Amino acid sequence: KNEVEQSPQNLTAQEGEFITINCSYSVGISALHWLQQHPGGGIVSLFMLSSGKKKHGRLIATINIQEKHSSLHITASHPRDSAVYICAVYSNTGNQFYFGTGTSLTVIP
Amino acid sequence: KAGVTQTPRYLIKTRGQQVTLSCSPISGHRSVSWYQQTPGQGLQFLFEYFSETQRNKGNFPGRFSGRQFSNSRSEMNVSTLELGDSALYLCASSFRQMEETQYFGPGTRLLVL
Repeated sequence: KNEVEQSPQNLTAQEGEFITINCSYSVGISALHWLQQHPGGGIVSLFMLSSGKKKHGRLIATINIQEKHSSLHITASHPRDSAVYICAVYSNTGNQFYFGTGTSLTVIP
Repeated sequence: KAGVTQTPRYLIKTRGQQVTLSCSPISGHRSVSWYQQTPGQGLQFLFEYFSETQRNKGNFPGRFSGRQFSNSRSEMNVSTLELGDSALYLCASSFRQMEETQYFGPGTRLLVL
């Protein structure tokens, strides 16, 4: 049983397209994180959410606690956005992180 | 501020050996967490240390252990290596709580032959 489900697994977009990645979770959480991983392994934390919505540049993250669902949106996508995006939730009952399997995004010029 | 550093970056070991990986967190960060990433299982939480104490633990066997020193630097040890331990091992630091924004190191890529 996966505590965190992400969709889609793979996504190819044309430069400039609006992109949405979805994350659903089944455990009680105190925080949800969106991570970006480039080839080579380095991981960068994009957002930490416990409620509502956050925006950073062209990236927007939302969370609906009641529905146990979060979305990551990328507006005006660019080839440099090509990476794997990972949803991670911090379970306040298990006191640990659970991770989605990641969404591999390729943006074509 | 310097980022999270991990050493070594690459390591090759044989089955049955043990290995120790090191992580230096961002200055001032006291929480250090360790993760294993494999193509089959993805990212999985190993354990978290705070103030030299293991505060949280994932679902890994006792062959995986760690410690944290008074300067917040952390090490993880894997004993009796198995082929399935081949993975990218990442550490991340945060200021106090694991659920805060985490800053990841570049990882140590371990290959067990």
